[in-house]
Amino acid sequence: EAQVTQNPRYLITVTGKKLTVTCSQNMNHEYMSWYRQDPGLGLRQIYYSMNVEVTDKGDVPEGYKVSRKEKRNFPLILESPSPNQTSLYFCASSWDARNNEQFFGPGTRLTVL
Amino acid sequence: TQLLEQSPQFLSIQEGENLTVYCNSSSVFSSLQWYRQEPGEGPVLLVTVVTGGEVKKLKRLTFQFGDARKDSSLHITAAQPGDTGLYLCAVHNAGNMLTFGGGTRLMVKP
Repeated sequence: EAQVTQNPRYLITVTGKKLTVTCSQNMNHEYMSWYRQDPGLGLRQIYYSMNVEVTDKGDVPEGYKVSRKEKRNFPLILESPSPNQTSLYFCASSWDARNNEQFFGPGTRLTVL
Repeated sequence: TQLLEQSPQFLSIQEGENLTVYCNSSSVFSSLQWYRQEPGEGPVLLVTVVTGGEVKKLKRLTFQFGDARKDSSLHITAAQPGDTGLYLCAVHNAGNMLTFGGGTRLMVKP
């Protein structure tokens, strides 16, 4: 089954404790991205990747890191989480950046205390 | 100010009613996408419109791209409870970034 998987689905952590949210897709997509979703703000792009070893900042990259060592994986790293990073996070992938359907993962609900 | 302004933000209607939601911008786009997101899930693509004035139909949903490619509308005929969800418009801009509007949260009551 073609899908985007994220882990964990739910995470409660404390300020400053490094964490990684994993994202994997099995569709051989080149484009992958991370979004956060907050009430009233819709989805905002954090980082995106056009292909392996190519990553770029989105609208809200501060406090986040990503890597794209393999085509299928695109982990999101929070080196020192803060309460304002409490949010619902989505990973997505598509064939490329233009006009193509974004396939979203199921989301990761993160709470930073 | 957001690049894409969606209105209304919230809409609660009875089953069988018609409705229209809007996605507006002052910028011109080469294409625009509409997604629907149900609670606990990620957004799912409904349609991509690429030509100014284009109209696309998906069963009871009608999507229109403005002539100037700055805005779009989504019209639902005879809404059903299964149409409940968050409707998001999105565009590619500034290179390869994807920007979403704030969304319209629709509730259709039986």
